[in-house]
Amino acid sequence: QVQLQESGPGLVKPSQTLSLTCTVSGGSISSSNYYWSWIRQPVGKGLEWIGRIYTSGSTNYNPSLKSRVTISEDTSKNQFSLKLSSVTAADTAVYYCARLSIVGAMIDYWGQGTLVIVSS
Amino acid sequence: SYELTQPSSVSVSPGQTARITCSGDVLAKKYARWFQQRPGQAPVLVIYKDNERPSGIPERFSGSSAGTTVTLTISGAQVEDEADYYCYSAADNNLVFGGGTQLTVL
Repeated sequence: QVQLQESGPGLVKPSQTLSLTCTVSGGSISSSNYYWSWIRQPVGKGLEWIGRIYTSGSTNYNPSLKSRVTISEDTSKNQFSLKLSSVTAADTAVYYCARLSIVGAMIDYWGQGTLVIVSS
Repeated sequence: SYELTQPSSVSVSPGQTARITCSGDVLAKKYARWFQQRPGQAPVLVIYKDNERPSGIPERFSGSSAGTTVTLTISGAQVEDEADYYCYSAADNNLVFGGGTQLTVL
């Protein structure tokens, strides 16, 4: 059974960089069958795709966030990470990591999500 | 950029059929998927490729597609189906989510 677990600070100051890590167990992020994604959800609002990374290290980002987002991987630890720079209160959200299949673009496994609050 | 539009809320009585729509130009050429999200929980995939059900999803969940609109149908909705439902699609190396529909069953 694949499991994903987000970790990182729950409070970030405005203008700083939000950093989160997703640890994957029960499956390898080096698999050629999947992308590894970040998705966020402001409290009480809808889902927003942030971006994804493939085993080759190639990435795709939401155009609205692209200038501030970096997704990277550490295959030795079976982890992938999110950095979002220059955060504002609008970046306050529950952040999820998830597995996205290459075939069919199915998001079949999610982490439980971690709330990140941007506040001074 | 692509947009997907959903009604903000749908309400049915237990045992009735609930229909939730998702509209967007991208759906004319790309598949839609549907998630169920209960409060405080991560989303669960209920439909992919417009009308396929993942294993473990009850048969009362079905999907259909017509042009630029896809529909999630819950036949004989149950109280436990009360949740938020989101559609999404993939195009041009991006994922796009609908705004979500709150389904009330009471």
